[in-house]
Amino acid sequence: AQSVTQLDSQVPVFEEAPVELRCNYSSSVSVYLFWYVQYPNQGLQLLLKYLSGSTLVKGINGFEAEFNKSQTSFHLRKPSVHISDTAEYFCAVSDRAGNTGKLIFGQGTTLQVKP
Amino acid sequence: EPEVTQTPSHQVTQMGQEVILRCVPISNHLYFYWYRQILGQKVEFLVSFYNNEISEKSEIFDDQFSVERPDGSNFTLKIRSTKLEDSAMYFCASRPGTGANSPLHFGNGTRLTVT
Repeated sequence: AQSVTQLDSQVPVFEEAPVELRCNYSSSVSVYLFWYVQYPNQGLQLLLKYLSGSTLVKGINGFEAEFNKSQTSFHLRKPSVHISDTAEYFCAVSDRAGNTGKLIFGQGTTLQVKP
Repeated sequence: EPEVTQTPSHQVTQMGQEVILRCVPISNHLYFYWYRQILGQKVEFLVSFYNNEISEKSEIFDDQFSVERPDGSNFTLKIRSTKLEDSAMYFCASRPGTGANSPLHFGNGTRLTVT
C-alpha cells in the first residue's frame, strides 16, 4: 500500500518569492510520482510527473520537482510565484506495477500568493 | 485539447434518494475512474473501470455505489440511497492506456450536497 503526506496544509507567500511545497511518500513498491493543481471551481490538472531518468522534472507554469529516493520525497518548487499560482496543490503516487493506474493523493497544500 | 466533462456541476438531493453523476471521458481513453473529495479532506479513490468491468474499488465503494458505461461515451456513478456523509465533490477521470505511467485527466467535478 502507498501513502502520501504533504507536510504543509497552507503556504502563504508573497508574489515573486520562491516557494517549495513538500511531499513525502511511503510505499512498499516502486511508484510513479505526480503533482496536480486545482484552481478554484476547477478539476485537477497535471503539473508534472516523475516516471524515470533525471530526478529533476520540469512541468507547466515554471514549476519543477525533485525526486529523492533516499528521503522518499518529491518536493515541488517554483523560483518566483505569481498571483495566478494561488491554488490547491496535490502530490500523488501510483504503483509502477499496478495495472489500474489509480492515484493515491496527499491531503493537499493551499498556496496563497499575496501581492 | 480534449477534456473530461461532468454533469451536473452541482447536485442537491435529499437523504435516501438515488443520484446519478454523469461523465464523458476523453474519447480514445480506456481507463475510467471516480474519486471523491469531502470538503477539507484529501481526494480519495473510489473505483477504476476497464474493459466494461470494475478493475479495482476502494472500501468506500460499497453496495450503495455502482458504475456503468451504458454506451460508448458516458460513464456514470450511481449512489442508490444517499447519506449525509456522501456530500462531497466527485471527480471523474480517464487515461489513455495500459501502464501506470500515463497520467489521469480529470473533469471539473460534481458537487453533491445531500440534505
